[in-house]
Amino acid sequence: EAGVAQSPRYKIIEKRQSVAFWCNPISGHATLYWYQQILGQGPKLLIQFQNNGVVDDSQLPKDRFSAERLKGVDSTLKIQPAKLEDSAVYLCASSPGWGLGSPLHFGNGTRLTVT
Amino acid sequence: AQTVTQSQPEMSVQEAETVTLSCTYDTSESDYYLFWYKQPPSRQMILVIRQEAYKQQNATENRFSVNFQKAAKSFSLKISDSQLGDAAMYFCAYTTLLSGGGADGLTFGKGTHLIIQP
Repeated sequence: EAGVAQSPRYKIIEKRQSVAFWCNPISGHATLYWYQQILGQGPKLLIQFQNNGVVDDSQLPKDRFSAERLKGVDSTLKIQPAKLEDSAVYLCASSPGWGLGSPLHFGNGTRLTVT
Repeated sequence: AQTVTQSQPEMSVQEAETVTLSCTYDTSESDYYLFWYKQPPSRQMILVIRQEAYKQQNATENRFSVNFQKAAKSFSLKISDSQLGDAAMYFCAYTTLLSGGGADGLTFGKGTHLIIQP
């Protein structure tokens, strides 16, 4: 079984520029998550999709962050414009189900550095 | 809001010894799951073990076991016979049901950096 694929692996941009991250979940996984992990902290949920619908985006800074999951498969997370405090690892995860206890499968993440 | 607290930023253990990582959480829910994830330098989060709140029996997975104390809201991870490959960041995580049904995304603690001394 192929894992969760994310790209790019690393990205360096200047503040006020735009950036996009891509995630391809495990085949058949209906639930998809984007997390932000700042250095020295645990991951923080940004947005959760069930198929192509948003379930929870309460912690997504909507003035600069956006995410979509067209056709309920791949997903893209965008930041526009980026700020210095957006420097972090962005993790994508997928899950086969939506029930309690359904394990999350994570990708290797994208490390974003904003200068 | 639910919170997860890991009070040990770093732990060190000799290879082949046993180590326990601590985690406490705060919730008013009765139905929830708790997880321990491992994050090596590759950054990929790997599930170590999970525990359903309704199950009294502590979960075990080979060398990994938990001590789940529901009343105390404590969920510690015990690693027996520590191996060099166990070195990583360990995160405790919590999830419960959303009001509209389905599981909420995981809430993570800040993590514990586990060092294995050869």
